[in-house]
Amino acid sequence: QKEVEQDPGPLSVPEGAIVSLNCTYSNSAFQYFMWYRQYSRKGPELLMYTYSSGNKEDGRFTAQVDKSSKYISLFIRDSQPSDSATYLCAMSDGDSNYQLIWGAGTKLIIKP
Amino acid sequence: DTAVSQTPKYLVTQMGNDKSIKCEQNLGHDTMYWYKQDSKKFLKIMFSYNNKELIINETVPNRFSPKSPDKAHLNLHINSLELGDSAVYFCASSQQAFNEKLFFGSGTQLSVL
Repeated sequence: QKEVEQDPGPLSVPEGAIVSLNCTYSNSAFQYFMWYRQYSRKGPELLMYTYSSGNKEDGRFTAQVDKSSKYISLFIRDSQPSDSATYLCAMSDGDSNYQLIWGAGTKLIIKP
Repeated sequence: DTAVSQTPKYLVTQMGNDKSIKCEQNLGHDTMYWYKQDSKKFLKIMFSYNNKELIINETVPNRFSPKSPDKAHLNLHINSLELGDSAVYFCASSQQAFNEKLFFGSGTQLSVL
């Protein structure tokens, strides 16, 4: 079993829909949770950063962490064709030997 | 101004050749990384340097050798290229070591024929 599981998709939704992207993980020591967005032929860019449990909102994006269920989500409201990309979750325990553990990414397609 | 830039963007070469990829960041960050992304988009860390010192050295064939002449530059040299080395290689940087907020370059698509 991988430490971080993420459905590779593709997930195809119509423009304007609410999108929900998810990752599950097995290591209860993870404290830092990130969502990166990667456009085709580009490097990943940090979209959302959350520490511990709870919600964080930034414009149309909301990141949610449920540590009791070992589950994180990224919600996109009023989705736009420009949101079409691969979304990668990443997490770490913040230890001195820290390393980011990555999900495999979910490909999202927003249809105009 | 590109924050993290790597060259070349595309690299097509024959098996057995030696090639290098260069990376430069102008963000003033202390730490730089090399990641490999396979065809299934899975990102795997290879190396990390903090202020020119190697701090992460994952299980990577010793045909791969990173070099950091200063904290703004991190190069990757690959000897005796194999078919399995075909992937996209990303350079990244962060403000300091063990920081989760990474800034990535646009990647180098390496194709070994």
